[in-house]
Amino acid sequence: QKEVEQNSGPLSVPEGAIASLNCTYSDRVSQSFFWYRQYSGKSPELIMSIYSNGDKEDGRFTAQLNKASQYVSLLIRDSQPSDSATYLCAVKTSYDKVIFGPGTSLSVIP
Amino acid sequence: DTEVTQTPKHLVMGMTNKKSLKCEQHMGHRAMYWYKQKAKKPPELMFVYSYEKLSINESVPSRFSPECPNSSLLNLHLHALQPEDSALYLCASSQVTGVGYTFGSGTRLTVV
Repeated sequence: QKEVEQNSGPLSVPEGAIASLNCTYSDRVSQSFFWYRQYSGKSPELIMSIYSNGDKEDGRFTAQLNKASQYVSLLIRDSQPSDSATYLCAVKTSYDKVIFGPGTSLSVIP
Repeated sequence: DTEVTQTPKHLVMGMTNKKSLKCEQHMGHRAMYWYKQKAKKPPELMFVYSYEKLSINESVPSRFSPECPNSSLLNLHLHALQPEDSALYLCASSQVTGVGYTFGSGTRLTVV
């Protein structure tokens, strides 16, 4: 089993819709979880960190964490074409390493 | 200053060359990282420095040699690379290990 898995893309949503991105991880003792956005040809950019069970909101982004289910998600409300990018889930493992998932490519259609 | 600066942005080197990648941050971050990213793949961890000491080496071949001269600088020395080492090399920093990173823009390396 891979350490960090994400729903396979590409994911296409119409402008203004909610985009839902999912991530599961294998290390039960992981405590820190991150979402990065990477535009084509650019480096990753941190958009959300979450450390506790529940929801964390920042503008149009909401991260949800369920440690019992080993599941992290990212919701993007009112999706815009500028949100089109690859979204990387990253998890800090018990060995103090941050491992990235394979990424989900999101396309927001005008 | 909220940036991580990487130089050079592009590098083409032969298999017998020696070159270095440089990374600099002035955010007071005490953790710095090297990641390697191939096209359409996620970043892969290579090295972690915490308080200027190497804390993680992900079994990287010895032709890659990291160096952290001070808390703001991180170098990656390259020697006798193979064409399969061609990739985007990303430097990142964070306040301490285990929190979110700031990435540099990367060095796109081509080994010929």
